[in-house]
Amino acid sequence: GAVVSQHPSWVICKSGTSVKIECRSLDFQATTMFWYRQFPKQSLMLMATSNEGSKATYEQGVEKDKFLINHASLTLSTLTVTSAHPEDSSFYICSARPRPGEGYSNQPQHFGDGTRLSIL
Amino acid sequence: QKEVEQNSGPLSVPEGAIASLNCTYSDRGSQSFFWYRQYSGKSPELIMFIYSNGDKEDGRFTAQLNKASQYVSLLIRDSQPSDSATYLCAVPHSGNTPLVFGKGTRLSVIA
Repeated sequence: GAVVSQHPSWVICKSGTSVKIECRSLDFQATTMFWYRQFPKQSLMLMATSNEGSKATYEQGVEKDKFLINHASLTLSTLTVTSAHPEDSSFYICSARPRPGEGYSNQPQHFGDGTRLSIL
Repeated sequence: QKEVEQNSGPLSVPEGAIASLNCTYSDRGSQSFFWYRQYSGKSPELIMFIYSNGDKEDGRFTAQLNKASQYVSLLIRDSQPSDSATYLCAVPHSGNTPLVFGKGTRLSVIA
């Protein structure tokens, strides 16, 4: 099946640090990748949609200058949490949509394993 | 903005029983519906999807869709302790992505 690799799986760092999270589609090309955030005991909330080669589209209430998204290729998107603070501590999950014709049509999105971010 | 509503639970059922999970959605034009299972600290994994009214069965899981009433449900037969997890209902925002998730129902299967 389609594999989405997310790295790192767990980050602990000091307040004020910037953290980069990578999301790679390993066996398919993804024109679109999605970034979700999940706080404890809450659902996944879509943060932004990134399309290869263009600027990301952010959901209402998500600061684009704080959560920098780069989708430089059809297999890689990165999310950088700039100057992270304790309130940014959360579980970040990326998801990739296969390019039409890639197969995997039974699922519109394939999820990475998530990154648990803890800011001290 | 599409809304997906679920009872947060917890829903407790004895081992071997049928667990019934329900979901309602706001957009009458929604065409596809997905059920994900999420274990604590893990990413969601797809259990089933359904597009047509009626029932769809896959092993111990049955998805039921009623577009007129705008609800979709998931039945788990012969529930096992390993089924204990949070079950998320998801509906695409437009077209077929991105998925909008409900808050999830926490299921606890008691041995």
